[in-house]
Amino acid sequence: AQSVTQPDIHITVSEGASLELRCNYSYGATPYLFWYVQSPGQGLQLLLKYFSGDTLVQGIKGFEAEFKRSQSSFNLRKPSVHWSDAAEYFCAVGALRGSGTYKYIFGTGTRLKVLA
Amino acid sequence: EAGVVQSPRYKIIEKKQPVAFWCNPISGHNTLYWYLQNLGQGPELLIRYENEEAVDDSQLPKDRFSAERLKGVDSTLKIQPAELGDSAVYLCASSPELGSNEQFFGPGTRLTVL
Repeated sequence: AQSVTQPDIHITVSEGASLELRCNYSYGATPYLFWYVQSPGQGLQLLLKYFSGDTLVQGIKGFEAEFKRSQSSFNLRKPSVHWSDAAEYFCAVGALRGSGTYKYIFGTGTRLKVLA
Repeated sequence: EAGVVQSPRYKIIEKKQPVAFWCNPISGHNTLYWYLQNLGQGPELLIRYENEEAVDDSQLPKDRFSAERLKGVDSTLKIQPAELGDSAVYLCASSPELGSNEQFFGPGTRLTVL
């Protein structure tokens, strides 16, 4: 069965520091991987996605993620965090169904706090 | 282009009362999802529609939850009767044509059951 694990429930970093949020997945085939961000009271916004090709993907707001098949990981990184990055971050895997559509499984999220 | 629209944004009801949530997906999007998001958790799929057909409702508690997507456009999710444990955020998302692997989320409806 497909699953997504985000080992860190909370992470606190200082503004300007680098950030890495961890994500591990379990999926039998080539996964489609996503990172979403959710600000309080808002829906989820897509940061970036990986389907195939270059394993380092760039997203919006200066985020990037690296797919490592050998480690079943898709960690999210940002070299310098801004106070506005404080939010909850969700990793997700998309599983292709027989109908040709995708079923998405989300991790439990990592809440990021940014210190001024 | 307008995003996924959900209403109401907030709803407070007493237990045993019925409640309904409405979702209007992005124009032209055939696939529609309803998710449940408990506090501190990731979204969990309740039901997935392809046009007007529910193709995955295995996680929908059918004793009290129902959903419909008449005409394959907007959708309604209903709970009757609501229980205390139903307090959560209900998210709607949509995807464009068959084979698309992106989904776009609405802002959600936050339900509080007293």
